[in-house]
Amino acid sequence: DTAVSQTPKYLVTQMGNDKSIKCEQNLGHDTMYWYKQDSKKFLKIMFSYNNKELIINETVPNRFSPKSPDKAHLNLHINSLELGDSAVYFCASSQTSGSVAKNIQYFGAGTRLSVL
Amino acid sequence: AQTVTQSQPEMSVQEAETVTLSCTYDTSESDYYLFWYKQPPSRQMILVIRQEAYKQQNATENRFSVNFQKAAKSFSLKISDSQLGDAAMYFCAYGGSQGNLIFGKGTKLSVKP
Repeated sequence: DTAVSQTPKYLVTQMGNDKSIKCEQNLGHDTMYWYKQDSKKFLKIMFSYNNKELIINETVPNRFSPKSPDKAHLNLHINSLELGDSAVYFCASSQTSGSVAKNIQYFGAGTRLSVL
Repeated sequence: AQTVTQSQPEMSVQEAETVTLSCTYDTSESDYYLFWYKQPPSRQMILVIRQEAYKQQNATENRFSVNFQKAAKSFSLKISDSQLGDAAMYFCAYGGSQGNLIFGKGTKLSVKP
């Protein structure tokens, strides 16, 4: 069984559309993350949720809205897609102990989003 | 704010040889962790090794070891007996009080047969 699974793996869509990426983890972790990897391979945090509560919300356009129905799921919805949204989006999870990111983060396989 | 710098965009090593990838970071925190992740062409992010800042002993995992110099804020990765399967992007990452990982820009490692 895959520990952190994302769907879909590839997403090709037109500018202006709305799309969602789903993420599920079966590790029993309490914290989940969304990272964005741009065309130069740079990875940056977008959001993190701890037990369904939003913890980190970086300077991301409000067209991006994460939703965590329970602590095993963290979905990412993107409205009015733009060309610049093309990237690989990674979901990750970890079990937090205190506030320091010491525990290993397990990553999903990534979703390659291409906006045409 | 914490930053992570990888100064080598690309590196190359001969199969069976040793290579060292550099990483420096900046932080004012005393409690943090450092990681090396590998990203092969499959895109999957794979943890290679983890170092706890309060431990002086350098972490090792089989052919992978780190040289952690806390005062210099340096965290290099040494790969011994390089194999073709080691070819990948390698990311150095900082884990601190905010909870998320802060990544360097990565080093692309090529392994020559």
